[in-house]
Amino acid sequence: AQSVSQHNHHVILSEAASLELGCNYSYGGTVNLFWYVQYPGQHLQLLLKYFSGDPLVKGIKGFEAEFIKSKFSFNLRKPSVQWSDTAEYFCAVNCLSGNTGKLIFGQGTTLQVKP
Amino acid sequence: EAGVVQSPRYKIIEKKQPVAFWCNPISGHNTLYWYRQNLGQGPELLIRYENEEAVDDSQLPKDRFSAERLKGVDSTLKIQPAELGDSAVYLCASSLARNGYTFGSGTRLTVV
Repeated sequence: AQSVSQHNHHVILSEAASLELGCNYSYGGTVNLFWYVQYPGQHLQLLLKYFSGDPLVKGIKGFEAEFIKSKFSFNLRKPSVQWSDTAEYFCAVNCLSGNTGKLIFGQGTTLQVKP
Repeated sequence: EAGVVQSPRYKIIEKKQPVAFWCNPISGHNTLYWYRQNLGQGPELLIRYENEEAVDDSQLPKDRFSAERLKGVDSTLKIQPAELGDSAVYLCASSLARNGYTFGSGTRLTVV
C-alpha cells in the first residue's frame, strides 16, 4: 500500500535558522506531491505542490521543496525561519493510478520556532 | 471565492449518541472528500465522492458511519452511535480534478 513517511516528528529551531523537513513516499508510479501547513487553530493550507516539470518548486512564505524521483523524496526547505512559521507541516501524495484520487498524508511534523 | 465551509466547528457529545457534520464544498468542485484527523496524526480518508457517487468508501466504518451527498453538492457525515475512539477532527475537502484540494476548517468532535 502507498504510504508517506515524515522523518521528523518535532523540530525546534531558533529564528533565522534554516529548515529542512524530510518526506518520503512509497509508490513506484506517477505522483502529485504536496506540502500543507496547519497553524494553531486553523485549517490545512497548501504551501506548495509538484505535478511535473522543474523538480524544485517554490511555494508561499519563502518555502520550497525538491522532488527527487530516484529517492522518492519531497523535502521541504526554508533558508531562514520566523517565529510565525510555528505550525504543523504535512507532506501528502496523490498516486496517479487507477481511480484513487485520494491524498495520502504523512503523520506530520510539528515545528516550533523560538523567538 | 468562498472556501470549503464546515459546520459545526466543535461538537461535544456523550458516547452512544448520534452526531452529524455538514460540508459545503467550493462551487463547481465535483470531488468531495471526508477525512478524519486523530491527534498527532495526518488526515486519513474516510470517503470520496465524485459528484453524488461515493467512489471510495473503503475506509469508512460502515457499521456506524454513513455519508451522503445529495445533488452532488453539500455533504453530510453521520456517526451513530458515537464511540469514545471517534474523537477527532473531521475534515472536508473538495477539488476540481485531482490538482487542487481545498480543506475546510474541520469539525472537532469530542466524545465523552
